[in-house]
Amino acid sequence: DTGVSQNPRHKITKRGQNVTFRCDPISEHNRLYWYRQTLGQGPEFLTYFQNEAQLEKSRLLSDRFSAERPKGSFSTLEIQRTEQGDSAMYLCASSWDRGINQPQHFGDGTRLSIL
Amino acid sequence: LAKTTQPISMDSYEGQEVNITCSHNNIATNDYITWYQQFPSQGPRFIIQGYKTKVTNEVASLFIPADRKSSTLSLPRVSLSDTAVYYCLVGEISNTGKLIFGQGTTLQVKP
Repeated sequence: DTGVSQNPRHKITKRGQNVTFRCDPISEHNRLYWYRQTLGQGPEFLTYFQNEAQLEKSRLLSDRFSAERPKGSFSTLEIQRTEQGDSAMYLCASSWDRGINQPQHFGDGTRLSIL
Repeated sequence: LAKTTQPISMDSYEGQEVNITCSHNNIATNDYITWYQQFPSQGPRFIIQGYKTKVTNEVASLFIPADRKSSTLSLPRVSLSDTAVYYCLVGEISNTGKLIFGQGTTLQVKP
């Protein structure tokens, strides 16, 4: 399967700890997105990369959050000093920017639980 | 981006055709209509996208009237495995392409 891969699938940590998630997009896709989803809600946009450049960040992305995409391949999302409110599913998606309205392909997410 | 309104939940039975309607009164000229499906503990999956009239693929059909202020996702002969949340998204795919999701419609298919 060559879809979007996210690791780990589940992460449980204590409040105040730092966590890092990884996303491996579909190899030929140059756009990569991070979303956050809480129970009963649709995904919310966090940030977007075009190749290695981070071009947009949501106001949801506080200064405790940082995302990188070195060399325009995989991406990492780090949350520092985690808080209870960070508990959510973190989704990664990728797409190709050629043509019109290319659909985004999502991974199955990393579920973060803060104790 | 245009605001969308869709039912919070719907029930159906196996073998029936299901139609989920989405209202988007403020749709702009350059906006496309896209539907995603999401199963529990999985990421959303693209189903279908259209601009006007009718689009059909192997999974669903999308009906868009001439005024484009609404759209209907049609799922033929649903099965239990079609139980999921269905999201209607409307917007111009900008330079970033970010998606704005609403709450979606939870479809429950019963035996």
